[in-house]
Amino acid sequence: DAKTTQPTSMDCAEGRAANLPCNHSTISGNEYVYWYRQIHSQGPQYIIHGLKNNETNEMASLIITEDRKSSTLILPHATLRDTAVYYCIVRVGGVLTGANSKLTFGKGITLSVRP
Amino acid sequence: SAVISQKPSRDICQRGTSLTIQCQVDSQVTMMFWYRQQPGQSLTLIATANQGSEATYESGFVIDKFPISRPNLTFSTLTVSNMSPEDSSIYLCSVEDLTGIGGELFFGEGSRLTVL
Repeated sequence: DAKTTQPTSMDCAEGRAANLPCNHSTISGNEYVYWYRQIHSQGPQYIIHGLKNNETNEMASLIITEDRKSSTLILPHATLRDTAVYYCIVRVGGVLTGANSKLTFGKGITLSVRP
Repeated sequence: SAVISQKPSRDICQRGTSLTIQCQVDSQVTMMFWYRQQPGQSLTLIATANQGSEATYESGFVIDKFPISRPNLTFSTLTVSNMSPEDSSIYLCSVEDLTGIGGELFFGEGSRLTVL
């Protein structure tokens, strides 16, 4: 079973920030928070991940609460091409974890960016 | 990042037949994963494929139905055997990026299978 809960859907206006929440209250100390997205008819795309510090890359920012029980993915300037299903996933990180490196997908949140 | 190619990208098959899906990666990877995405659903992991050993299947998936080969570090196949309409799905191959600290996964574009 997925260890995360996300709202079913949300929308935002083009050019505005999209803030996607995720709850992971049972996260373990060695589990990372990962975000992927799936644009219609494509394979999932990695966005960002973090352990406990906030992270930022060219696609998004990840804000993790101090107790690590929740996080927020921020798309700073949403575009129409950001319309997708966004998956928040927790898993043990690192390349030596073998089968633990598999991803378990929940239902995700459908983000609709409107013009 | 790894570049993953899947073949076929889509196919229409008859009930009772089998189809083999190929996954080719442009770099050597240890772990390869096969996922299924049924219409309107999220992704479900079928099995983990290591080179040189038998695949490890998740609950609800068996080798007789989904045999997997992993002959080398850049290639894998998934066969969907004795197909029924319930097997109509997108099948995705993914690999772990060994250059990343967190080991993110990269996915192919998927193979869309329709069983009549």
